Amino acid sequence: AQSVSQHNHHVILSEAASLELGCNYSYGGTVNLFWYVQYPGQHLQLLLKYFSGDPLVKGIKGFEAEFIKSKFSFNLRKPSVQWSDTAEYFCAVTPGAAGNKLTFGGGTRVLVKP
Amino acid sequence: AAGVIQSPRHLIKEKRETATLKCYPIPRHDTVYWYQQGPGQDPQFLISFYEKMQSDKGSIPDRFSAQQFSDYHSELNMSSLELGDSALYFCASRDQADPADTQYFGPGTRLTVL
Repeated sequence: AQSVSQHNHHVILSEAASLELGCNYSYGGTVNLFWYVQYPGQHLQLLLKYFSGDPLVKGIKGFEAEFIKSKFSFNLRKPSVQWSDTAEYFCAVTPGAAGNKLTFGGGTRVLVKP
Repeated sequence: AAGVIQSPRHLIKEKRETATLKCYPIPRHDTVYWYQQGPGQDPQFLISFYEKMQSDKGSIPDRFSAQQFSDYHSELNMSSLELGDSALYFCASRDQADPADTQYFGPGTRLTVL
């Protein structure tokens, strides 16, 4: 069974700082990779996804992620965060071939101080 | 664009009562997933349906059942509620033809069991 781990549980940074959230997965086959964001009290929103092609994926709100197959990683980055980026960020995977349930990482709570 | 609709948004029940949660997927999405998110936890997959048939099953208690109807909406039925069932229940929908397996989440139903 696949598993996902996110390196940091909590991240605190100031506005305009750069953000990088680590995500590693374990699965032997092809995977589809996702980053979701959950703002306080809200539902999960898709930030970006990778399923094939260019391993550098650009998403909404200035986020991007890089799939490094050799490292089983899919790290999320944003060059300059804003206070409104305060949220919880979840990395998730589905098996590429069968395409089914999402397996989530534990989430990373990001607090951006104004 | 139309999103996933869930009802009710909030539900308060007593122990041993029953609850029914409803999910209306994005139009033309044929696959529905249910996830449970406990306080401070990442979402855990419960069950999924494709074309009205159960397609996968996760950590769903035997006290819970679900189905998908001909209009693709889904209902999660929960009986003999326990305090530990208090959580946010998300429904997600997906177009089976999407090669990226993207799941779009609804706003969730917050269930509180007293």
